[in-house]
Parts: sequence; C-alpha cells; structure tokens
Amino acid sequence: QTVVTQEPSFSVSPGGTVTLTCGLSSGSVSTHFYPTWYQQTPGQAPHTLIYSTNIRSSGVPDRFSGSILGNKAALTITGAQADDECDYYCVLYMGSGIWVFGGGTKLTVL
Amino acid sequence: EVHLVATGGGLIQPGGSLRLSCAASGFTVSRNYMNWVRQAPGKGLEWVSVIYSDGRSYYADSVKGRFTVSRDNSKNTVDLQMNSLRGEDTAVYYCATNNPQTSRWYDPLDYWGQGTQVTVSS
Repeated sequence: QTVVTQEPSFSVSPGGTVTLTCGLSSGSVSTHFYPTWYQQTPGQAPHTLIYSTNIRSSGVPDRFSGSILGNKAALTITGAQADDECDYYCVLYMGSGIWVFGGGTKLTVL
Repeated sequence: EVHLVATGGGLIQPGGSLRLSCAASGFTVSRNYMNWVRQAPGKGLEWVSVIYSDGRSYYADSVKGRFTVSRDNSKNTVDLQMNSLRGEDTAVYYCATNNPQTSRWYDPLDYWGQGTQVTVSS
C-alpha cells in the first residue's frame, strides 16, 4: 500500500508562517486525492481544517489554507499562534473507497 | 445535534474477536458515510473502514479479511466486527462521519465519537 508522507515535526515562531506538506511514497498528489487536513490536540478527537485540497471547514480561521505545491498537498498556517501547537494529519483518497492517513506532523510554536 | 458514541472495547487475547458498536443520534446512519478510524498509543491516525449509504464497504489493507463493518438501520448503529485480532490492532477506535447536511463521499469527517479502547494482549 502507498505510504502518505508528512514531516514528523516542524517548528514555527509565533506570528510566523509555516507550510506542512503531504506527499506520496510513489507519485504525485493532485486534487483527485481530495487532500484533507485535520488538527488534533492530545486526548481529543481530530478536528477538520481543510478538505478537497483547499476548502476551509466551517469556523476555521482564514489563516489556515490548503493547496497543491509541486507534487504534494500543503497546509499553510500564517500568523501562527500558541494554540496552533498540536498534531496535524493529512489524509488522501486512494480510490476504491480507501483513505490513507499520513503519519502526522507535530507542530511546535516557539 | 449529531452525536456518536462508540462502545465495545476491552482487553482481548491475540486471535480473539471483539465487536465495536457506534450509536448515532441527530442523523440517520443509513444516509451517511460511516467510518472507523483508529489510533495506536502515541501513534498517528489510521483509517480502518467505511460503509457507504448504499451499503458498500471498504477496508484498509491492514484489516481486510479480518474486520467487517455493518449497519443496523433499526437501531441507527454501525458495528465493526474484529476477528483474528493482533497486537498491532491495539488502539483507540473512533467512529466518525461526514456532515449529514451534505453527505458527499469526499466530505471530511466532521463528527467523531469519543473513542473506545481496544487492547490486544495475552
């Protein structure tokens, strides 16, 4: 099965901008994979940020945005805040009803 | 209001079976895409299975042939029958679904249950 890749960890300064990526062990990510991004704080269920590449979920601030950058899906956070420090997961549709999550990125804001 | 409650977790020996259930309220499970997602201790999310509104079901390679998802429309529940359990199946199992107002197959999982712990160990 194809592996979905994410940076294990990333660091950003408060107020800064960070771009997290979501790739494939083989091939390129396109909109046909319906990239979806979730945010998860410890002990809580995930919360949707972005779906279908770049559609912001209801109530999500516009400092979160999604795109395709090169051969990967990307989640960009502008004006990072302390409470953005958590885990971020992407998930891709692989066809035949199957979705595969990436390993997640642990974001540190310091 | 959409609400999901997952139950049925517990401690089970390797090779054993367990049946999880997800009770839904605020919407009709037969009209939504009902998913199971798991998270091993200290690890990331893993998509496990989905049952579509038309009854089709799909599984991750890691559970195919061992897990079966089903739906009880009269009870408004979705079950996950897990057989031939292995240590690597140890995880919190979440049921999750999309927004009932739109219910497109590619919609995100906006609603999650609280999760139920499954521990496979001798």
